[in-house]
Amino acid sequence: AQSVSQHNHHVILSEAASLELGCNYSYGGTVNLFWYVQYPGQHLQLLLKYFSGDPLVKGIKGFEAEFIKSKFSFNLRKPSVQWSDTAEYFCAVRANFGNEKLTFGTGTRLTIIP
Amino acid sequence: NAGVTQTPKFRVLKTGQSMTLLCAQDMNHEYMYWYRQDPGMGLRLIHYSVGEGTTAKGEVPDGYNVSRLKKQNFLLGLESAAPSQTSVYFCASSYSGGRFYEAFFGQGTRLTVV
Repeated sequence: AQSVSQHNHHVILSEAASLELGCNYSYGGTVNLFWYVQYPGQHLQLLLKYFSGDPLVKGIKGFEAEFIKSKFSFNLRKPSVQWSDTAEYFCAVRANFGNEKLTFGTGTRLTIIP
Repeated sequence: NAGVTQTPKFRVLKTGQSMTLLCAQDMNHEYMYWYRQDPGMGLRLIHYSVGEGTTAKGEVPDGYNVSRLKKQNFLLGLESAAPSQTSVYFCASSYSGGRFYEAFFGQGTRLTVV
């Protein structure tokens, strides 16, 4: 069964700082990878997703993530954060074949200080 | 286009009471999911369904039952509520696979069991 680890539980940054949130997954086969964002009091929204091809994936709001297969990682990055990026971020993994489950990490709470 | 709609949005139950949470989607998605979200634990899969009339257990199925009699609806039942079931419940739906796979989430149901 697949699993996801997000080691950063709470990250605090100043506006304009660069962001990198870690995500590692565990699964022996081909995977699909996702980053979701949850703004305070709201539901989860998709930031970006990786299926195959170019390991550098660009998403909405200036976010990007890089899939490094050898490290089983899919870290989320943004070169310059804004106060409006304050939210909780979830990494998720789904096996590419024969598995309907979408498994989430425990999330990283991001606080941006103006 | 409503997307994924959850009913109710808030509920307070007494220990031992029963209730049903309704999830409805209008995107003709095959897959539907029920998750619970607890602080520090991310989203944990309760049950899921890959099509009308089918259901399967997720990570934390105990104390919950589900039914999917119609493709657009996925019901989550609590037969005898316990304080440990106090949580925020999210429903999600998606197409079955391929590059179009993306889970869309409802707004959540905040359930308190006293």
